[in-house]
Amino acid sequence: GAVVSQHPSRVICKSGTSVKIECRSLDFQATTMFWYRQFPKQSLMLMATSNEGSKATYEQGVEKDKFLINHASLTLSTLTVTSAHPEDSSFYICSASPGKGAYGYTFGSGTRLTVV
Amino acid sequence: GDSVTQMEGPVTLSEEAFLTINCTYTATGYPSLFWYVQYPGEGLQLLLKATKADDKGSNKGFEATYRKETTSFHLEKGSVQVSDSAVYFCALSWMDSSYKLIFGSGTRLLVRP
Repeated sequence: GAVVSQHPSRVICKSGTSVKIECRSLDFQATTMFWYRQFPKQSLMLMATSNEGSKATYEQGVEKDKFLINHASLTLSTLTVTSAHPEDSSFYICSASPGKGAYGYTFGSGTRLTVV
Repeated sequence: GDSVTQMEGPVTLSEEAFLTINCTYTATGYPSLFWYVQYPGEGLQLLLKATKADDKGSNKGFEATYRKETTSFHLEKGSVQVSDSAVYFCALSWMDSSYKLIFGSGTRLLVRP
């Protein structure tokens, strides 16, 4: 079945630094990737949708300059949290689809980001 | 706007008990409906889905039927196991240009031996 690898699974960084999270589709070409943020014991909040080769579409209230998304190839999307602050600490999850969601979504295992 | 409402948890059951987790949605038209499961510290896994009214999705003993008249997609399992302990998310999606998933708030299930 479709597999999405997300890396790293956990990361601790200092305030003011940037952190990059990778999301790779291992056995299919991901036309569309989605990035979610999940707060403790809460649901997933969609941050942005990225299509290969074009700019990401951010949801209302998500700072595009803080959360940089790059989808340079059909198998890789990255989320960079720039100038991280403790309030950015959260669980970030990516998902990928071969056809804009029509053929299903496969989720990565998530990244636990802690900013100290 | 479109939304998904789930029953609040946690739901605590004894092993082999019957499970129902309620899910209702608000949307114009007929979206596709999904149930996802999240085990501790992990991402989400698709549990089952239904793409049109009266469809029944099923997997691993779990079932849910797309009810247009009640705009519901309740999750059921006849006999839960300790290994079913997880958070369950109901979600909807449109087959339009975005295809993005809209999630409910999640329901934590705890099954005790």
